[in-house]
Amino acid sequence: GESVGLHLPTLSVQEGDNSIINCAYSNSASDYFIWYKQESGKGPQFIIDIRSNMDKRQGQRVTVLLNKTVKHLSLQIAATQPGDSAVYFCAEMGGGGGADGLTFGKGTHLIIQP
Amino acid sequence: EAQVTQNPRYLITVTGKKLTVTCSQNMNHEYMSWYRQDPGLGLRQIYYSMNVEVTDKGDVPEGYKVSRKEKRNFPLILESPSPNQTSLYFCASSWGYLRETQYFGPGTRLLVL
Repeated sequence: GESVGLHLPTLSVQEGDNSIINCAYSNSASDYFIWYKQESGKGPQFIIDIRSNMDKRQGQRVTVLLNKTVKHLSLQIAATQPGDSAVYFCAEMGGGGGADGLTFGKGTHLIIQP
Repeated sequence: EAQVTQNPRYLITVTGKKLTVTCSQNMNHEYMSWYRQDPGLGLRQIYYSMNVEVTDKGDVPEGYKVSRKEKRNFPLILESPSPNQTSLYFCASSWGYLRETQYFGPGTRLLVL
């Protein structure tokens, strides 16, 4: 299997429970944030995004919360399912990081227990 | 089906033997990018391209080359691979500069002996 899950924080939740994955960013100038999901053996997949003029955005079973005061981003997944098992990572843009302005976090490995 | 394809998916090679990893997208995206992913380091950008014939270095460009002769293709070239280039490589594309909703390819796992 893929080795991208090694050395990552791990969050283990029971199937059906809600999960919260956190991401901290360092640059207050960042104005756009994205959450990606990466399943084993696959490329990252866009989940949801949020701009800095918003505090909350909801998708299907997912909610992203942005707290600009403490530079914190979270992804909430409701009623987790086995298919939610993956590595989740955030990306920020506009803070000047990365060669083209996009900086990725290292990720959190979400494990869904049956 | 809208997608980004990469070939090969798996590659084992030896130090110094030139190789090319192809990337193609069928969404008419202007922006394309190459990343490498290593345990504990996350995704790091190698090169990116804003449009045809326009390429720029990412955060870790050393040892890599790219070209963008056509909008749909963005090959990654390792002229003289070394063991520290053993990694998982992803190509990605999106519509424009803001690069929201990047579509990633399935990845190419490279082992350089």
